[in-house]
This record gives sequence, C-alpha cells and structure tokens, in this order.
Amino acid sequence: KAGVTQTPRYLIKTRGQQVTLSCSPISGHRSVSWYQQTPGQGLQFLFEYFSETQRNKGNFPGRFSGRQFSNSRSEMNVSTLELGDSALYLCASSLDPNSPLHFGNGTRLTVT
Amino acid sequence: GIQVEQSPPDLILQEGANSTLRCNFSDSVNNLQWFHQNPWGQLINLFYIPSGTKQNGRLSATTVATERYSLLYISSSQTTDSGVYFCAVDTLRKGNTPLVFGKGTRLSVIA
Repeated sequence: KAGVTQTPRYLIKTRGQQVTLSCSPISGHRSVSWYQQTPGQGLQFLFEYFSETQRNKGNFPGRFSGRQFSNSRSEMNVSTLELGDSALYLCASSLDPNSPLHFGNGTRLTVT
Repeated sequence: GIQVEQSPPDLILQEGANSTLRCNFSDSVNNLQWFHQNPWGQLINLFYIPSGTKQNGRLSATTVATERYSLLYISSSQTTDSGVYFCAVDTLRKGNTPLVFGKGTRLSVIA
C-alpha cells in the first residue's frame, strides 16, 4: 500500500509569491491534516479535513488556506509569502479523525 | 488548549542502553500517539495509545490516562533509534480538537 505522497518535495519562492502544496493520502483514508514544522515553533497544526469538510483550523493567518477533494486528496495554499513561512510542511492521513496518523515526507519550502 | 510536555528534551545513549521518555498532558485525552522523526525528517507512527500498554519489538508504551502521562520505553537502543520522539494528544473536552504535539525528545544513540 502506498504511503502518503506530498509534492513537491522542495520549493524555493520569493516573498510575495503564492504556493500550492499537494497531498495524496493513503488509499482509503478520508482524514487529512496539515502541520508546519520549524526549529523554533515545532510542529504546529494548520488544518484538518474529513470527507471534504474542514474539521479544524489552527491559529494561522488567512493567507493559509486548504481544501480536500472528493478523492480525499488535499491541497494547501499560502498566498503573499513571507520569510517566516519557510518551513517543512507535513501532511498526514488517517482512516478517520480518531485513528493513527501517517505522515508524508513533507514539502520543504524556502522563501527568499 | 491542552498542554503537552515531554522530558527529557535531549538524551544521549550508548548503543545497547535502555531509556524512558515521558509525556505529560494537561487534560483528559481522547487520542495519544507517539512518533519518531528520523534524521531525514520522516515522521513514523510508533503507537496509538490513549490508555494501557502496547509493545512493538524493542519499543513499548504505557499511558496512564487518569494520571495524565505516557511513557515510551526503548530497550537495547541502536544507532537507528536516533532522532526526535514526539508525543501528540487531543481531547474531546471542548468538542473536536486537533492533535497537539509536544516539543519532542531528541535522542542520540552513539556506537
């Protein structure tokens, strides 16, 4: 069974640009969560989706948005990028919100 | 929201040694998971353990929900055990809440 797939693996963007990150969950998993990981703040929750509905949203500005499609694939978008958005963005999937989380390899975003 | 504290923050072990990592949390939990992040950044789910004890090879975990803590035991450590160990919890106390991660324990196993 294929694991969680995140694309792209690496991204370099400049301030002010926008970026879209993609996540394909494990087959059969309907819950997808996104986390931002930085050395200073650790793992911070961004969004959680279940069956195309946003179930939870973390304390991030409105520049961060996400969605989930009918096939459970998810995307997150960050607009008007800032230097502080440089981080490892991790996607995780689970069968449902109360099941074990399985993470992808992440997308490392660098904003210059 | 729920607070998660992990200890110790850093741990250095000689290969073959045993260790215990601790996770304290501030509220009743619905869900508690342990993860290992290897030096390449990959997060691996080790245990889903809101209560009780589980074992998987050299690793085992115990959660005492009534006392609000969980322990991860690593026996006969190997260099491949190096990395950061995270505990993550959520609570139903205030409706649906996301999984909150502790700051982790960084483990270095030296040969």
